[in-house]
Amino acid sequence: DAGVIQSPRHEVTEMGQEVTLRCKPISGHDYLFWYRQTMMRGLELLIYFNNNVPIDDSGMPEDRFSAKMPNASFSTLKIQPSEPRDSAVYFCASSFRGQAFFGQGTRLTVV
Amino acid sequence: AQSVSQHNHHVILSEAASLELGCNYSYGGTVNLFWYVQYPGQHLQLLLKYFSGDPLVKGIKGFEAEFIKSKFSFNLRKPSVQWSDTAEYFCAVTGGYQKVTFGIGTKLQVIP
Repeated sequence: DAGVIQSPRHEVTEMGQEVTLRCKPISGHDYLFWYRQTMMRGLELLIYFNNNVPIDDSGMPEDRFSAKMPNASFSTLKIQPSEPRDSAVYFCASSFRGQAFFGQGTRLTVV
Repeated sequence: AQSVSQHNHHVILSEAASLELGCNYSYGGTVNLFWYVQYPGQHLQLLLKYFSGDPLVKGIKGFEAEFIKSKFSFNLRKPSVQWSDTAEYFCAVTGGYQKVTFGIGTKLQVIP
């Protein structure tokens, strides 16, 4: 397996634009997590899914953030509209028996 | 609810010094415990894990961790650090529902 695949690796967008981050988890993993990492706040859990069902989205900072998992092999994190303070590295991770495997991350810059 | 606390947020050591990073967790049931490492500019990678059995777990690159159930701790150790160990280290726990909870992370800087 190629591991958790995230796209794009880098995204630069203007404030107000919609941003969609994509994640393909490892096949067979039943949990999927979206994290955000910044220097100020460290690693924050935004939302996680179990068997494609959102379990806890209490970490999603605002209504501008939304996440979906339409099937076991794909998830998206959308920010609409984006703001400069959303600039961060966004990681997707999938897990099996509690062990998490991380994607390479998407570095988002909102100018 | 499960939680993880890491006591040291920033550690600076000279090469060959010994390392111990503290990690305590809070959870009422059976847990799986992990240490992850994040090298500069990279994603988190598994360093070692504990599911059951021998509470002293050996991981990659000479790292080890000891699970002490009575203290709810899972401290990471390395007898002699190298410059290449400069990274951020995260302790993590999974309990019920397999939600992975991470500690805040400890930045380790090793000075040559």
